Amino acid sequence: GAVVSQHPSWVICKSGTSVKIECRSLDFQATTMFWYRQFPKQSLMLMATSNEGSKATYEQGVEKDKFLINHASLTLSTLTVTSAHPEDSSFYICSARASATAYGYTFGSGTRLTVV
Amino acid sequence: RKEVEQDPGPFNVPEGATVAFNCTYSNSASQSFFWYRQDCRKEPKLLMSVYSSGNEDGRFTAQLNRASQYISLLIRDSKLSDSATYLCVVTDTGGFKTIFGAGTRLFVKA
Repeated sequence: GAVVSQHPSWVICKSGTSVKIECRSLDFQATTMFWYRQFPKQSLMLMATSNEGSKATYEQGVEKDKFLINHASLTLSTLTVTSAHPEDSSFYICSARASATAYGYTFGSGTRLTVV
Repeated sequence: RKEVEQDPGPFNVPEGATVAFNCTYSNSASQSFFWYRQDCRKEPKLLMSVYSSGNEDGRFTAQLNRASQYISLLIRDSKLSDSATYLCVVTDTGGFKTIFGAGTRLFVKA
């Protein structure tokens, strides 16, 4: 089945530094990839929709200059949290759908970011 | 009003019990519907899609009522391994935008 590989699984960084999270579709081409954030005991919140070869579409309230998304190829999308602060500590997950006819979305394994 | 609302839970049930989760959505143009399962500190995994005709997969039955904008998930003969958070997921036309419910936590006890 469709697999999305996400790494790192967890990262601890200092305030003010930047962290890059990668998501790769291993056996399919992901024209569109979605980035979510999940705080403890809360649901996944869509941050942005990443389209290969074009600018990402950000949800209301998500700072595009802080959360840089790059989708340079059909199999790779990256999310960079710039100048991270403790309030950015969260679980970040990407997802993609293998094809227009596929049901459901495949998720990466998630990245737990802790900013200290 | 939230776009997707679920029973807050948590549901604490004994093994073998039948439990039902409800979910309502606000956008009448929503196209696709799913139930996902998320274990603690893990990514969500697709449990089943939801169709207007209703669909069943073993102990799990999902139902969609478009008129009432309502989705349900029924779990029969609960197992300890069913303990997880169940997320109701709704997508817009074309599946371009996905909205997750806040999830309902289920604890199945021996």
